[in-house]
Amino acid sequence: KQEVTQIPAALSVPEGENLVLNCSFTDSAIYNLQWFRQDPGKGLTSLLLIQSSQREQTSGRLNASLDKSSGRSTLYIAASQPGDSATYLCAVPNSGGYQKVTFGIGTKLQVIP
Amino acid sequence: DVKVTQSSRYLVKRTGEKVFLECVQDMDHENMFWYRQDPGLGLRLIYFSYDVKMKEKGDIPEGYSVSREKKERFSLILESASTNQTSMYLCASSLVQRTPGWKLFFGSGTQLSVL
Repeated sequence: KQEVTQIPAALSVPEGENLVLNCSFTDSAIYNLQWFRQDPGKGLTSLLLIQSSQREQTSGRLNASLDKSSGRSTLYIAASQPGDSATYLCAVPNSGGYQKVTFGIGTKLQVIP
Repeated sequence: DVKVTQSSRYLVKRTGEKVFLECVQDMDHENMFWYRQDPGLGLRLIYFSYDVKMKEKGDIPEGYSVSREKKERFSLILESASTNQTSMYLCASSLVQRTPGWKLFFGSGTQLSVL
């Protein structure tokens, strides 16, 4: 059974800092991994989807990397801003024919002005 | 881009009421999902559907049922609402896994309070 862990659970940084969020998964037979952002009381917004054949995916100040062999993905946020404050979740489709997706509990990020 | 629409942002119901949560997607996705999200527990899958009239139980189906009569619409039903069903409910949709362009899309969520 796939398990997804995100560390740290919460992070507080001053504005302008570069930061890294971590996601680890137990079953490395994945074909992609998706990072989401969730604002309080809202749904999940997709940030990046990284395929198993890719090592990195970039969108603006965000960069996601994937290392299947070690079961890890990182989300790098450059030059953080107060508007980046949110919870960040990673999600992995389960291997096999079952259509489920396993989520981490998320990292709650606060960027202090 | 894909749009997943949940009919209500906030809902307040009484214990014992029958509650319907509606979700509509506009991209002809085969898969649709209902999750609930609680602090410290993350997202938990209640039910999902991979085709019209087809459904599978998720991790926490007790106290819930679903209906998918049309491909674009997936309804979550609380047969007799209880206070422990107070939660954020999230609907999502996707293509079949391993399809090029697979991605999971979420609605904006329904915060349900059962009093």
